[in-house]
Amino acid sequence: EVQLVESGGGLVQPGGSLRLSCAASGFTFSSYSMNWVRQAPGKGLEWVSYITSSTGTIYYADSVKGRFTISRDNAKNSLYLQMASLRDEDTAVYYCARETRYSDTWYLDYWGQGTLVTVSS
Amino acid sequence: QSVLTQPPSVSAAPGQKVTFSCSGSSSNIGNNYVSWYQQLPGTAPKLLIYENNKRPSGIPDRFSGSRSGTSATLGITGLQTGDEADYYCGTWDSSLSAGVFGGGTKLTVL
Repeated sequence: EVQLVESGGGLVQPGGSLRLSCAASGFTFSSYSMNWVRQAPGKGLEWVSYITSSTGTIYYADSVKGRFTISRDNAKNSLYLQMASLRDEDTAVYYCARETRYSDTWYLDYWGQGTLVTVSS
Repeated sequence: QSVLTQPPSVSAAPGQKVTFSCSGSSSNIGNNYVSWYQQLPGTAPKLLIYENNKRPSGIPDRFSGSRSGTSATLGITGLQTGDEADYYCGTWDSSLSAGVFGGGTKLTVL
């Protein structure tokens, strides 16, 4: 059974940093690209970042570019999101999600339960 | 504003059929497959439809999808109260090099 379990969320002051983790199990983690998607309270889904299986390609949403860093450790079956210079508008539930991509296909077939990040003074 | 446009809400009675629209552009829906996600209250999103009209294992055939040009549609037949949720369309945007989602449509089963 595919499982994605996020951790690391919490309350942080504006300008602060936080590192999210996502532990994967039930599939060959090193074979899949992974994504982070966030959802602000009462709002819709916002794609945040993507990393290929071998870390060869990384993309970020403009809203987090230069502040967030996605990474992975295939030996530990783990995905990470290092967040810096946090702003109030970064407050959201952060989901990690497994990606399937080929040709003109892209979709997220498994999602974690999410971890809440609250940026507030 | 979301890159993909969805109506904020839709409602229908149990047993009826409902459709959800999702509008984009040539850089996203027009040239990439669309997926749909169901988010039940208080839970994580779940893949409902991929590649415009394919259902993952375990998704009943009451759920269907289609794409025409730069728009996509999700349909649900035989509505049940358990279908009350937020529904999101998503795809890759080749110009932005980013995943994009619609703002979501809240389904109310009256």
